[in-house]
Amino acid sequence: AQSVAQPEDQVNVAEGNPLTVKCTYSVSGNPYLFWYVQYPNRGLQFLLKYITGDNLVKGSYGFEAEFNKSQTSFHLKKPSALVSDSALYFCAVTVFSGGYNKLIFGAGTRLAVHP
Amino acid sequence: DSGVTQTPKHLITATGQRVTLRCSPRSGDLSVYWYQQSLDQGLQFLIQYYNGEERAKGNILERFSAQQFPDLHSELNLSSLELGDSALYFCASSSHRSESPLHFGNGTRLTVT
Repeated sequence: AQSVAQPEDQVNVAEGNPLTVKCTYSVSGNPYLFWYVQYPNRGLQFLLKYITGDNLVKGSYGFEAEFNKSQTSFHLKKPSALVSDSALYFCAVTVFSGGYNKLIFGAGTRLAVHP
Repeated sequence: DSGVTQTPKHLITATGQRVTLRCSPRSGDLSVYWYQQSLDQGLQFLIQYYNGEERAKGNILERFSAQQFPDLHSELNLSSLELGDSALYFCASSSHRSESPLHFGNGTRLTVT
């Protein structure tokens, strides 16, 4: 079955330290990969995507993600975390099913950045 | 601001009732998606429309239905409501290109009492 896994329910980081939020996927073909962030009582906001090309993609708010085809991973990273980065983060991947592309989301990882 | 508008923001209703959630997509977007987010759970894909036609179905209950109108706005109808239907319902829109990201509204919080 095609799926997206975010193995950590929560990640705790001290402000100023680097952060990593993990994502692995299991889909056939060459998927498109996305990261979204959700702040309390808000909808999801697009952060970045990987379509093709350079394995390191940069996105909004200083976030970046590294695509690793051999490990089927797309981990979200930031060199220096801010308290304001505390939110729920979702990894997503497109799959081709029933003749159409569909977006599958991971379960989400709650990031808590402590002062 | 994502450009996607959802109304109402909050809805409180009783079990057995029927409600309609409304979504106006971002200008120019032809695809509309509906997702359900329950407490402590991820996003459950319900249904997708493209230019008025149903494109894909996810874990949508038979009590739920949706449609997309000629002006591209969409409505999600939830009937015979149960306590377990209490959740955040999100609408998202995108262009027709598969690499385009989804743009989400701020959701409708439904509480069934």
